[in-house]
Amino acid sequence: EAGVTQFPSHSVIEKGQTVTLRCDPISGHDNLYWYRRVMGKEIKFLLHFVKESKQDESGMPNNRFLAERTGGTYSTLKVQPAELEDSGVYFCASSQKGRSLTDTQYFGPGTRLTVL
Amino acid sequence: AQSVSQHNHHVILSEAASLELGCNYSYGGTVNLFWYVQYPGQHLQLLLKYFSGDPLVKGIKGFEAEFIKSKFSFNLRKPSVQWSDTAEYFCAVNAGDTGFQKLVFGTGTRLLVSP
Repeated sequence: EAGVTQFPSHSVIEKGQTVTLRCDPISGHDNLYWYRRVMGKEIKFLLHFVKESKQDESGMPNNRFLAERTGGTYSTLKVQPAELEDSGVYFCASSQKGRSLTDTQYFGPGTRLTVL
Repeated sequence: AQSVSQHNHHVILSEAASLELGCNYSYGGTVNLFWYVQYPGQHLQLLLKYFSGDPLVKGIKGFEAEFIKSKFSFNLRKPSVQWSDTAEYFCAVNAGDTGFQKLVFGTGTRLLVSP
């Protein structure tokens, strides 16, 4: 079974540019999460999709961040325009179906974003 | 707001030494607790999790953790570490109150095991 994949693995952009990160969850997983880790700090929750719907986007930093999950499959996270403080590692995770506190979240390898 | 504290940011041990990584959480509701590990160049993966029942939880690769409710703690232990345990370890609590998971992580502990 393929794991969670993320693309690109690294992205270096200049302040003011736009970047789009992609996450492909494990096939059949309804729940998809985005997290971010700024260097030296904790991994922070950004948002959660259940299928194609946003269940919780309370962790999104501001309106420069836009997440979508078309058709309930892969998800994209767009940052427009990027700022220096957006640098960090963006993780995606997925878990199986519905409301389950006992589910395991499976993480992707992360995308390292550097904004210059 | 919910938070997780990991007291040790860096730990260096020799092989065969015992390990205990501290984790304290701040959350008033029913807690679900997790330890994740990220080996060099690999994905974050689940080591173990606690939901209910026996407060001593056993995970993969010989790790265990004990939930002590009165101390708001969930420390990770391993009696004898190996070089291959070199990794970064993250404690997390589920702070979701809607029936969905919403993980809050600590800052992580980097463990270096010298051969």
